[in-house]
Amino acid sequence: QVHLQESGPGLVKPSETLSLTCTVSGGSVATNSYYWGWIRQPPGKGLEWIGYLYYTGTTNYKPSLRSRVTMSVDTSRNQFSLRLTSVTAADAAVYYCAGGYCRGPGCQLYYFDWGQGIRVAVSS
Amino acid sequence: EIVMTQSPLSLPVTPGEPASISCRSTQSLVDSNGHSYLAWYLQKPGQSPQLLIYLVSIRASGVPDRFSGSGSGTDFTLKISRVEAEDVGTYYCMQALETPITFGQGTRLEIK
Repeated sequence: QVHLQESGPGLVKPSETLSLTCTVSGGSVATNSYYWGWIRQPPGKGLEWIGYLYYTGTTNYKPSLRSRVTMSVDTSRNQFSLRLTSVTAADAAVYYCAGGYCRGPGCQLYYFDWGQGIRVAVSS
Repeated sequence: EIVMTQSPLSLPVTPGEPASISCRSTQSLVDSNGHSYLAWYLQKPGQSPQLLIYLVSIRASGVPDRFSGSGSGTDFTLKISRVEAEDVGTYYCMQALETPITFGQGTRLEIK
């Protein structure tokens, strides 16, 4: 089980870009056993998968967010990142980075290990 | 997109009594290998979700055996044989078969 820790600003202005980083410990991001992703939870609401990427850089985003989302991985720092452009109040949430454990030749997802989360507010 | 529907959404339980949560998916979660990609999480107040069960019925490391998962196809159940005070929180099912990964709305378990 890997340990994940989110970092980044807790406040973003409307129309600007939200940028978060997740530092992985207890394992390497350059592994074929995990996807590296982001999940968010608006205040008082449920969980929304944003997307994930493989250490090779292959990405998979939620269709409704695809036009605004970019994820990347930095194997030298054992980190991965999220960028969400043109944020609005609807993007205010706790953002969790997550390690998606996968198995098999197609890296079928089994479950997520979660970071502790970082609360991001959107306000001018 | 696979839609996950949980019931009930609120579950008051007396300590020591059993509890059951249902999760239904709009399509089968079975792949060509016969595995069903359904996981359960518990989100305790103020915490991130913690894994309880994956592949329908496999308990995660350290999860007490009072938690069990069952089901197949599109219907799944999480059971707690004897609820304890520490089980309070919101339970989520999640399908991992295909993207977009989707979650149920959550079931809030409270102690009577």
